[in-house]
Amino acid sequence: ETGVTQTPRHLVMGMTNKKSLKCEQHLGHNAMYWYKQSAKKPLELMFVYSLEERVENNSVPSRFSPECPNSSHLFLHLHTLQPEDSALYLCASSLLGGAGDGYTFGSGTRLTVV
Amino acid sequence: AQKVTQAQTEISVVEKEDVTLDCVYETRDTTYYLFWYKQPPSGELVFLIRRNSFDEQNEISGRYSWNFQKSTSSFNFTITASQVVDSAVYFCALDSNDYKLSFGAGTTVTVRA
Repeated sequence: ETGVTQTPRHLVMGMTNKKSLKCEQHLGHNAMYWYKQSAKKPLELMFVYSLEERVENNSVPSRFSPECPNSSHLFLHLHTLQPEDSALYLCASSLLGGAGDGYTFGSGTRLTVV
Repeated sequence: AQKVTQAQTEISVVEKEDVTLDCVYETRDTTYYLFWYKQPPSGELVFLIRRNSFDEQNEISGRYSWNFQKSTSSFNFTITASQVVDSAVYFCALDSNDYKLSFGAGTTVTVRA
């Protein structure tokens, strides 16, 4: 365990389903991130939350909706996804500005859209 | 704009061989941080090292060593006497203090017994 916990580890969903990914950290970090890792592509930053405020939305389609209710929890709500959204979704946390050891990543949620 | 290039897609070595992973970066910022992460088959990204742009000293940690050359914008990573457990995807990343950690495409290292 890295200190960042993601659930579920695997998720298969239909294109009409609604599901949520959960990320939790108790490292005392105050910034949290969602990354998407598709096959054969570099990791892509999706969203950044700093002190529970969204500070970055990297041109992500609206079918992905993040939520950060407090500094320890981050959600990614999914609805009407497409097969090309199948990927590994990684959550990360850090102190503001990536101080200290930088970013701590979770083990990811492997999402398959059918 | 930030960019990280890992030109080597895959490297295959026999156990006990040394392996060097190349990383070249581009940034207009004078202050930035460079990282290396390891991603084993289980999926999580494991932090290996963080280096700031003002510290060009090379670093050694056990079998791992890093060579930071600002003049060539490179931050290469060497695994000495590789082991099967080193098999993973290794990512180089760049952070210019604006929350945007830019990753290279990764290098898959396979160490054969």
